[in-house]
Formats: sequence, structure tokens, C-alpha cells
Amino acid sequence: AQSVTQPDIHITVSEGASLELRCNYSYGATPYLFWYVQSPGQGLQLLLKYFSGDTLVQGIKGFEAEFKRSQSSFNLRKPSVHWSDAAEYFCAVAGGLTGGGNKLTFGTGTQLKVEL
Amino acid sequence: EPEVTQTPSHQVTQMGQEVILRCVPISNHLYFYWYRQILGQKVEFLVSFYNNEISEKSEIFDDQFSVERPDGSNFTLKIRSTKLEDSAMYFCASSGEGRETQYFGPGTRLLVL
Repeated sequence: AQSVTQPDIHITVSEGASLELRCNYSYGATPYLFWYVQSPGQGLQLLLKYFSGDTLVQGIKGFEAEFKRSQSSFNLRKPSVHWSDAAEYFCAVAGGLTGGGNKLTFGTGTQLKVEL
Repeated sequence: EPEVTQTPSHQVTQMGQEVILRCVPISNHLYFYWYRQILGQKVEFLVSFYNNEISEKSEIFDDQFSVERPDGSNFTLKIRSTKLEDSAMYFCASSGEGRETQYFGPGTRLLVL
């Protein structure tokens, strides 16, 4: 069964500092990997995704993530955090395409706080 | 940019009552999903739907739950007899022909009293 671990429940960074949010997955083959962001009271917005190819993927809002098969990781990074990045970040894995869908398994999320 | 919409944004109901949560997926999408997020917990898969039938469901999705696509645009989740533990944020999502990427709606916050 597929699973996702986000080891950091809360992270606080200063505005302008760099950010790395950790994500480890478990899946038997090459997974589809995603990062979503959820602002308070809002839905889930897709930041970026990895399916295959280049292991460094670029997303919206200046985020990037690197797929490392050897470490079963898909960490999210941003070189300089803005106050508006404060939100909850979810890593998710899909285990490939089943007959009629592609369910996502989410991690428990990392709450990001940005200090001004 | 097309987006998934959900109504209502909030719903309060009494235990034992039926609720219907509505979603309008992105218009050319073929695959539809419901997820829920209990307060403070992670987002959990409930069900996926394709070609007018359920393609996969989780153990959470028991006989109290049902889904329907009553017309060409709406996708609904019905809870027949709500329980206190059904209180959660319910998200609808849809994906296109490639199925890889799911786009989520803003959610419906359900409170069962």
C-alpha cells in the first residue's frame, strides 16, 4: 500500500529565508508525486507534480521539488520565502493509474509559519 | 481558468439527517473524486467515479455514502444518516483524460450536531 510521511508538523522560517519541507513516500514502483498547498479555510491548490523525467520539477509561486528515488523522497524547496507562503503543505502520492481513477494518498501536512 | 466548484461552503445538520454535497467538476474532465479532511487530520480518499460508476472506494465509504452524477455537470456525495464523526471538510476533485493530476474544489465544511 502506498503511504506518505511528512516528518515536520510545524516549521517556522523568517521571511526571505530558504525553505525545505520534507516528504518521504512508500510505493513499490515509480510513483506520481504531488505537493499541494492549503491556505486557511481554502481548498487544495496544486503546487507541482512529478511523473517521470527530470527529477527536479518547478512549480508555481517559485517552488521546486526534487525526486530522489534512492531516498524515497520528494522534498519541496523555495529559495526565499514570502509572508504569503504561510499555509499548510501536503505531499501526496498516486500509485499509478487504476482502471477508473488514481487515488491520492496524502501526508499529514506541514504547517508553515513565516516570521516577518 | 477552469476550476472545480462546490456547494454549499458550509452545512450544519442534525445527527441522523441526510445531506447532499454538490460539486461541479471541470467541464471536460472524466474522473471524479471525493476526499474528506477531519479537523486537524490528513486528507483521506473516499471514492473515485468514472463512466457513471464507482471505480474505487475506501473503507470509510460505507453504505451510508453514495455518489451520483445526475446530469452532465454535477457530481454529488450523499450521506444518508449523518453521524457526529462525519463532521469534516469534504473536497471534490476531478481529473482529465490523462488522470494524473487532480484539481480540487474549495471544500464543503460539514458539521453534524
